[in-house]
Amino acid sequence: DTEVTQTPKHLVMGMTNKKSLKCEQHMGHRAMYWYKQKAKKPPELMFVYSYEKLSINESVPSRFSPECPNSSLLNLHLHALQPEDSALYLCASSQGDRGRGETQYFGPGTRLLVL
Amino acid sequence: QKEVEQNSGPLSVPEGAIASLNCTYSDRGSQSFFWYRQYSGKSPELIMFIYSNGDKEDGRFTAQLNKASQYVSLLIRDSQPSDSATYLCAVVLSGGYNKLIFGAGTRLAVHP
Repeated sequence: DTEVTQTPKHLVMGMTNKKSLKCEQHMGHRAMYWYKQKAKKPPELMFVYSYEKLSINESVPSRFSPECPNSSLLNLHLHALQPEDSALYLCASSQGDRGRGETQYFGPGTRLLVL
Repeated sequence: QKEVEQNSGPLSVPEGAIASLNCTYSDRGSQSFFWYRQYSGKSPELIMFIYSNGDKEDGRFTAQLNKASQYVSLLIRDSQPSDSATYLCAVVLSGGYNKLIFGAGTRLAVHP
């Protein structure tokens, strides 16, 4: 089973709202990722968690706040977003062996619209 | 220079033909290479991964890697209309942390 789940599927929020995106995997993977994908563009890495610790932050604005409560869960807390933050937010996971580059499995994504 | 480059297409092939998708990368230390397929409005789906020089076959798909030329390709034999999608080449950068960088993607259109 290579399933990564994400909730919600769609989210509409105002610029003053606070919301959270949730990602879950039960494959025993120890690395989890957040990507942002704008229309007709490739996914862009935002954050990497390895063994529940933040290992990469790709200079993401502080209005995006990641959290990894345990090895199966990854959250992305959103606050005071801008309309240009509207995008498909993708979660992915991989085994986390830190050896040769590992296959990342993607969830279905959350389509976010900021009004 | 972009880290991973692909021709954006569209690449149009007739049903039953071979589709050839190409990708070059700039990080000479990269060791891991992936092809993802993405249908419109959906998330990327893994098609193939390749680590060693040469060819790797899986059903109708063949990935080819040439590290000396920093070149990766994907061949799709007996192309079907259901193969119409954007194909993303992705490379793990050297330096650890499994940082995956995507090319811009090639849009493939298979027409009956």
